[in-house]
Amino acid sequence: GAGVSQTPSNKVTEKGKYVELRCDPISGHTALYWYRQSLGQGPEFLIYFQGTGAADDSGLPNDRFFAVRPEGSVSTLKIQRTERGDSAVYLCASSLNPRGTSYGELFFGEGSRLTVL
Amino acid sequence: TQLLEQSPQFLSIQEGENLTVYCNSSSVFSSLQWYRQEPGEGPVLLVTVVTGGEVKKLKRLTFQFGDARKDSSLHITAAQPGDTGLYLCAGEENNFNKFYFGSGTKLNVKP
Repeated sequence: GAGVSQTPSNKVTEKGKYVELRCDPISGHTALYWYRQSLGQGPEFLIYFQGTGAADDSGLPNDRFFAVRPEGSVSTLKIQRTERGDSAVYLCASSLNPRGTSYGELFFGEGSRLTVL
Repeated sequence: TQLLEQSPQFLSIQEGENLTVYCNSSSVFSSLQWYRQEPGEGPVLLVTVVTGGEVKKLKRLTFQFGDARKDSSLHITAAQPGDTGLYLCAGEENNFNKFYFGSGTKLNVKP
């Protein structure tokens, strides 16, 4: 597609439920990032993929959070046993960033707004 | 934990005024980026600076990377209502392709 696509755009769920958020990056972009943004704050790093593998998952807050990118394109962020504190906008970004280079431009999607009641 | 602190957090000015936004850290970054974000959208890249002391200009926007590559500033000349938005700096550590974002500066330019 032309840009990074995230679905759903809005998700309201109840505490304790399981949630999946999907990110479809720009075609050909090897790097994919998940960030979480709370109201009035800057994006908080969660995880970064280079191809199919998670190059850095140090930002995942706990083991309720998990992300996959099985074919090196679409990624899914999975949150188990959701808590009210998980409410935020989850942003996905992709970058044309071959391994060994740096400072690539991050192209962001519009985000998935998660509300946990 | 925010590695990058931005100031001011909020800025409300009249059209035509000048302003400067600061991005500070105790960490050294291999590169630093500035993004602008509008409500309901993802951040959009404005500029990337790489070399200590580097200055880049984008129309009315001037970006500077500190000599020690720990801080940066964004100066806007003759602000316009269209400049309204959340300005974010993002630093990359050690060429690891991982970007940490600052806390953001929310700018409102009144006509």
